[in-house]
Amino acid sequence: KQEVTQIPAALSVPEGENLVLNCSFTDSAIYNLQWFRQDPGKGLTSLLLIQSSQREQTSGRLNASLDKSSGRSTLYIAASQPGDSATYLCAGSGGSYIPTFGRGTSLIVHP
Amino acid sequence: DAGVIQSPRHEVTEMGQEVTLRCKPISGHNSLFWYRQTMMRGLELLIYFNNNVPIDDSGMPEDRFSAKMPNASFSTLKIQPSEPRDSAVYFCASTPGTTYGYTFGSGTRLTVV
Repeated sequence: KQEVTQIPAALSVPEGENLVLNCSFTDSAIYNLQWFRQDPGKGLTSLLLIQSSQREQTSGRLNASLDKSSGRSTLYIAASQPGDSATYLCAGSGGSYIPTFGRGTSLIVHP
Repeated sequence: DAGVIQSPRHEVTEMGQEVTLRCKPISGHNSLFWYRQTMMRGLELLIYFNNNVPIDDSGMPEDRFSAKMPNASFSTLKIQPSEPRDSAVYFCASTPGTTYGYTFGSGTRLTVV
């Protein structure tokens, strides 16, 4: 059964910093990995989807990488802004095609 | 596209009452998932449908929970009788295939008092 872990659980940074959020998974036979953003009291918004055949995906200031051999994915946020404050969740889908979620990283970017 | 639509957005009910949560997946998406989110346990999969057929319901907590998908455009999650420990946010998600990732609804915040 796929298990997903996210480190750190919480992060507070000043505006403008570049930061990395980590996601690790136990089943290297991962089909895809998806990063989501969740604002307080809201639903999940998809940020990036990486297929198993891909190494990374980019959208604006966000870059996500996938290393199946080490069981890791990272989400890189460049030049962080207060509007980036949210909880970031990763979800890995294995052979069952069911996404398993990590507990998330709660990010605060202060001005 | 209106996305995945869930109703109601908020539900407050008394312990012992029946609660029905509703989900309309995105048209053309053949897989649907129900998740529950709590502070203690994070996001937990309750049940997964593919082409309207339940494939994996191992996450359904107990017999008080049931889910149906009578057609490709509608699913319900029912709790009967409800208990305070069922209080959580319930999310519905759909996908046309794993290559495309998953789209989540806005969730239903359930409070059982």
